[in-house]
Amino acid sequence: NAGVTQTPKFRILKIGQSMTLQCAQDMNHNYMYWYRQDPGMGLKLIYYSVGAGITDKGEVPNGYNVSRSTTEDFPLRLELAAPSQTSVYFCASGRQGSPLHFGNGTRLTVT
Amino acid sequence: GEDVEQSLFLSVREGDSSVINCTYTDSSSTYLYWYKQEPGAGLQLLTYIFSNMDMKQDQRLTVLLNKKDKHLSLRIADTQTGDSAIYFCAENGGGFKTIFGAGTRLFVKA
Repeated sequence: NAGVTQTPKFRILKIGQSMTLQCAQDMNHNYMYWYRQDPGMGLKLIYYSVGAGITDKGEVPNGYNVSRSTTEDFPLRLELAAPSQTSVYFCASGRQGSPLHFGNGTRLTVT
Repeated sequence: GEDVEQSLFLSVREGDSSVINCTYTDSSSTYLYWYKQEPGAGLQLLTYIFSNMDMKQDQRLTVLLNKKDKHLSLRIADTQTGDSAIYFCAENGGGFKTIFGAGTRLFVKA
């Protein structure tokens, strides 16, 4: 049972570079989410999706994009990376009325 | 909008009980969760309670819900050094949106 799988685990980017954080779940969950967690802080919702083909902005969407072409995958794209995007990124999935399942996170540093 | 608040730090001695408190604003909350985050890892569901319950006990964990005051607490009995982690309170009204608190960092002193 893989659950929610995030890749890569770590990444260092230079300012202005782009990258895609991958997230896949094998639990057939409709809902998928991207959060960021800054040091000593809670979780901030970046984007979410309630099903394939449907995405919506969370609290802090600027500088990010997502797509949801399949139920399983929910990649997060960073264009023109900035130091303010240094954070730990968590993907989560779930279904209505059930707790969320989290991946182990991607630690991103932008220098 | 909906909000979940919890204190940021708690320090206890090994063997004592820990009580982590949380307040929320959404009166339509249906599910209330406690997640645990260990260093370098994602959040793991620790326990949960439905809004029509007052208490739930699971081994060393006791969850108390005061729906009138919108107050949730997590009690860890006989706290061990392995319980050192960040504990997140979260609420869900039955839809797709789960609101998280900022997390309480529990330090357990040997």
